[in-house]
Order: sequence, then structure tokens, then C-alpha cells
Amino acid sequence: IAGITQAPTSQILAAGRRMTLRCTQDMRHNAMYWYRQDLGLGLRLIHYSNTAGTTGKGEVPDGYSVSRANTDDFPLTLASAVPSQTSVYFCASSQGTDTQYFGPGTRLTVL
Amino acid sequence: GENVEQHPSTLSVQEGDSAVIKCTYSDSASNYFPWYKQELGKRPQLIIDIRSNVGEKKDQRIAVTLNKTAKHFSLHITETQPEDSAVYFCASSGSARQLTFGSGTQLTVLP
Repeated sequence: IAGITQAPTSQILAAGRRMTLRCTQDMRHNAMYWYRQDLGLGLRLIHYSNTAGTTGKGEVPDGYSVSRANTDDFPLTLASAVPSQTSVYFCASSQGTDTQYFGPGTRLTVL
Repeated sequence: GENVEQHPSTLSVQEGDSAVIKCTYSDSASNYFPWYKQELGKRPQLIIDIRSNVGEKKDQRIAVTLNKTAKHFSLHITETQPEDSAVYFCASSGSARQLTFGSGTQLTVLP
């Protein structure tokens, strides 16, 4: 059992390029989340999904999109990356509003 | 939306002393308050949580207290050890049932 995994581990991306961060969980959790973590700002919610087929906007959704085609996968897409999207991205999952479990993170640098 | 403030941003204590981190929240409907520990380069991991129907919860050297009237909650670590050094985040689940995180406290335990 892997829990929750993310790919890639790190990525350097040219501004304007499209990028998809992958997140997969095998705990059959109904809810999944994407956060970005910047120094001094803690974890900020980008998008979430309470169940497969539904998504919602978090605190900082601009420039990002998500989809939830099934229970296990929750990809995050940057349609046209900008340098301000340089950050560490964490995916998380939970069963309802219970404890959130985090993935190992993706370190993204946009040049 | 929910607003969570966390203090202090940095905290240094001598090994064996106690550490206290405090958070305030704004949404009176909040009913779930987890604390996460994040070691350098790692993912956030839940260390303790409390729900609004209790005022205090303990787990060995870690305790959390909640004052719903004042809308604040605190993390207490007793008999600190060097391995307690990390960034600690509080969070609150508001009326939108999404977690809002504080900005984090860098705890350093000096040997």
C-alpha cells in the first residue's frame, strides 16, 4: 500500500509551458486536495474535490485547473506556467472531513 | 472565509523545556483543529487533533487545548527533544469544511 503518491518529485519549467502534476491515492478516500506551500505563507488550498466527478475552488485557484475522473486520481494542470507559480505543491486526501494525509510533494520551478 | 493566525513564527527552547504554539481562528462554525509537523524537505504529518466537543487532548508529550469562546487553540510540547525540531502548522476546518492553515512555527530545540 503506497498511500498517496505524487509525480514528478521536482520539475524545472519554462514560463508559458503547460504542466500537469499527478496525484494518486490508494486509500479510497472520497476527498482530495491540492495545496501550494511558499515560505512564510504556510499551505494554501488551490482546488479540492469532495468526491469523484466534483471539484471546487480553494483560496488561490487562478492559473490552475483540476479534474477528478475517478476516486484515485486528482491531477493539477498549469495551462501556461508563470514564475509566481514556483512553489512546492502538496496533494492530500481524506475520508470526508477527517484527517488529511499528504503526499510527498512536487517542487516546481518556473523560469 | 476562515482566517487562522499562528504565533510565534519562530521558537527556540532548551532541550527538556516546554514549547507552546498558539493559534486563533475567525469562523465560529469551525469544529476540527489539527496540528501538523513538517520536517525539512518532508510532507506535513498529523501529530494531534481536537474537535470542538472537547477542551483538551493529550498524547504522551503533546497536548492541545481549545477555547471555543475565545476562538483560540494551542499546542503544548513538554520535555522537548532535538527531534521535535520542525515546522508546526495549526489548521481549522471552517463552515466550508475545508482546512485553513496557519503560517507555521519553526521550532528549534537546542541541545
